[in-house]
Amino acid sequence: GDSVTQMEGPVTLSEEAFLTINCTYTATGYPSLFWYVQYPGEGLQLLLKATKADDKGSNKGFEATYRKETTSFHLEKGSVQVSDSAVYFCALSKIYGNTGKLIFGQGTTLQVKP
Amino acid sequence: DGGITQSPKYLFRKEGQNVTLSCEQNLNHDAMYWYRQDPGQGLRLIYYSQIVNDFQKGDIAEGYSVSREKKESFPLTVTSAQKNPTAFYLCASSIDRVRAIPQPQHFGDGTRLSIL
Repeated sequence: GDSVTQMEGPVTLSEEAFLTINCTYTATGYPSLFWYVQYPGEGLQLLLKATKADDKGSNKGFEATYRKETTSFHLEKGSVQVSDSAVYFCALSKIYGNTGKLIFGQGTTLQVKP
Repeated sequence: DGGITQSPKYLFRKEGQNVTLSCEQNLNHDAMYWYRQDPGQGLRLIYYSQIVNDFQKGDIAEGYSVSREKKESFPLTVTSAQKNPTAFYLCASSIDRVRAIPQPQHFGDGTRLSIL
């Protein structure tokens, strides 16, 4: 079945370091891909999305490119801040039957130290 | 501001008791979803609803029930049949029942359920 795999965390970085969180997926057809962020004690917020191959999603300095040839959607940021500390979820969505369902990776915890 | 409101934020259940988690949205979204999140794991789909008076089981529906009597509301009941209910429960909604391109889901802030 369809699935999403993320790199294991926690990822610990110093402020202003470069961030990469790897995400690969397995899916038939043409899924849409998403990154969500979860701050402690809160729900998930949509960070960015891409709906077709070679699309680049970007928001708040984060970027991810939909790579169909490598089935990947890695999250990157050039310079992280302490406020970026959170759990990041990669997810895919397709139309299953007659509804769009999200399939999540297990999440990657990012800790940014001053 | 439009959004999804979940209540309560914390909930405690006694053995053998049913509890109901509230989810209300004012985004005028058709579809609504319930997820369960366990520590260190991704989200797993419990139930979803595409339209009023209709809902479907997700991947882990056993021990849970839902209703969708109003577009804005999608309450989740955790029954006594759910033997391991301690988790963080998230409600979500999305704009449309079905489109050619899946739409992103918007999430509430969650309810943390614990067993006394």
